[in-house]
Amino acid sequence: GQQVMQIPQYQHVQEGEDFTTYCNSSTTLSNIQWYKQRPGGHPVFLIQLVKSGEVKKQKRLTFQFGEAKKNSSLHITATQTTDVGTYFCAVYSGAGSYQLTFGKGTKLSVIP
Amino acid sequence: DVKVTQSSRYLVKRTGEKVFLECVQDMDHENMFWYRQDPGLGLRLIYFSYDVKMKEKGDIPEGYSVSREKKERFSLILESASTNQTSMYLCASSLRDIDSPLHFGNGTRLTVT
Repeated sequence: GQQVMQIPQYQHVQEGEDFTTYCNSSTTLSNIQWYKQRPGGHPVFLIQLVKSGEVKKQKRLTFQFGEAKKNSSLHITATQTTDVGTYFCAVYSGAGSYQLTFGKGTKLSVIP
Repeated sequence: DVKVTQSSRYLVKRTGEKVFLECVQDMDHENMFWYRQDPGLGLRLIYFSYDVKMKEKGDIPEGYSVSREKKERFSLILESASTNQTSMYLCASSLRDIDSPLHFGNGTRLTVT
């Protein structure tokens, strides 16, 4: 399937600090999805980005899709303990494919 | 709200046993998926199905098979369980639309001894 690199693998932040995770692909993506998995839980869909340069916000979360549609980022402003979990990006293997491939995820720890 | 239900939360099996993991969704979704999740490796796709009786291999199908006899049910089968199949198994479903998000079940933690 499509390969996507996600960095960093782990991030420890003090509560109130910002956090960013990045996904990078060597090929142009049709779209990208982001999921969050709380400790002990299952992945939950957050958002999908489709357009080049797209920026979407959900409260303190900002999602961006690169101009070349080869990278994406998730930025959390002023982290809270409720943000703890693993954040995954996911991409489809190709045009017409139903195969969704996940990045390895970024595990976020928030120190109160 | 979409509900994806996996039959067991925890399962312990012996090496060589045949293992069935069951998944049922209640939202009439066309697509269903089986992933396994391991620390440091993220989620890896085993098999998926886009219609009844249809199946496609994912990235790591070796040692697994699947069955989809009804639209709402997707089964993962380990013909002869091995210790390297100890993992968290996640089932998911989605609409047929190519950009439809996945809805996951709570997962089955399988231990093979």
